[in-house]
Amino acid sequence: GQNIDQPTEMTATEGAIVQINCTYQTSGFNGLFWYQQHAGEAPTFLSYNVLDGLEEKGRFSSFLSRSKGYSYLLLKELQMKDSASYLCAGGGGSQGNLIFGKGTKLSVKP
Amino acid sequence: NAGVMQNPRHLVRRRGQEARLRCSPMKGHSHVYWYRQLPEEGLKFMVYLQKENIIDESGMPKERFSAEFPKEGPSILRIQQVVRGDSAAYFCASSPQDRGNYGYTFGSGTRLTVV
Repeated sequence: GQNIDQPTEMTATEGAIVQINCTYQTSGFNGLFWYQQHAGEAPTFLSYNVLDGLEEKGRFSSFLSRSKGYSYLLLKELQMKDSASYLCAGGGGSQGNLIFGKGTKLSVKP
Repeated sequence: NAGVMQNPRHLVRRRGQEARLRCSPMKGHSHVYWYRQLPEEGLKFMVYLQKENIIDESGMPKERFSAEFPKEGPSILRIQQVVRGDSAAYFCASSPQDRGNYGYTFGSGTRLTVV
């Protein structure tokens, strides 16, 4: 079957670092995506990994291990505006289809 | 460069009515995807379309739901005889022919409420 698992909720402090983990089992693999979704808004693209290793983009980094079916999103220097849901998504059945996890709701506290 | 446009933003329908949700992809994007998001749930794939073709409808309920992407005009997701369980946010996304490493661009969604 196809499955993407990530924690339901996390809490962190402003200025800190937080790591959001994701494990996946998909029938096809076209890469692993992370999206950010603020309440009531559309998901917005954050990162994409297709090869093993770490991709860094400013305060956000994403890691992939294909052999372990594992990824994480690392957020540094947390800001209050980072409070949102973070969605992990991976390649699905058809070439274009993505399978999404349920999302991790991150709350950043002062 | 306008993004993915969805309308209406909010839609209220009584049980048994029809709901029509529209999606205009980004300029230059030829692939459209519809997803449904229930409260506290993840995005669930419904259907993947290219112009005049349904590529993958494995996520569509077998009855009452249909989708099209005509040669001219927006993609339409149609729900006939709506029931309370259809209440959800429906997101449309688009991508260029070669999605590559940019994933999808999502529209702002249509929030359907069935009363």
